[in-house]
Amino acid sequence: VTLLEQNPRWRLVPRGQAVNLRCILKNSQYPWMSWYQQDLQKQLQWLFTLRSPGDKEVKSLPGADYLATRVTDTELRLQVANMSQGRTLYCTCSFSQGAGNTLYFGEGSRLIVV
Amino acid sequence: GEKVEQHESTLSVREGDSAVINCTYTDTASSYFPWYKQEAGKSLHFVIDIRSNVDRKQSQRLIVLLDKKAKRFSLHITATQPEDSAIYFCAASIQNTGNYKYVFGAGTRLKVIA
Repeated sequence: VTLLEQNPRWRLVPRGQAVNLRCILKNSQYPWMSWYQQDLQKQLQWLFTLRSPGDKEVKSLPGADYLATRVTDTELRLQVANMSQGRTLYCTCSFSQGAGNTLYFGEGSRLIVV
Repeated sequence: GEKVEQHESTLSVREGDSAVINCTYTDTASSYFPWYKQEAGKSLHFVIDIRSNVDRKQSQRLIVLLDKKAKRFSLHITATQPEDSAIYFCAASIQNTGNYKYVFGAGTRLKVIA
């Protein structure tokens, strides 16, 4: 059973352009939603965890700038800007916050810089 | 910052043999250590985890060992099968200004040769 739906599944992003990603939670039993990125070398890195509608955070990392928004109890968004290299963004969900909670990954949104 | 080192970047074993993947972590407060499997072109799937209150856990052909003193944990896959071929990621829970996140190792590409 799919817990998360991400779209788009992939996108060509002209250098300098921003892209908006969506993640829809299919099972409200896992309300803690996060974004992780995986670079071209397969390294995974936590970006954000947002629980409540209206929560918003920004972050600048080497290679991209991010704005994450928890829109509703079932929707998480991510804007990716100033991307220098391709990457895959994974949305995750878990039952609760805290250690010991299994992370469930969405299928990912693969971004390719052109 | 907190790190998780995954010692084997690649590993080849013959079908039926055992595979062992080793990870070390730096944060003494880490208390939860999950493992994920990523098949080619796909997302990450949870395979097994271990909490810091035990030093061994088994699920069918998977065994996880934890040595808290050495800050080391390992995944043992017994009686390997070709479908075990994938990238395996270890992770450790980290508390970060009120948020829990998981720090991942760089991944081990396991190839099971028939």
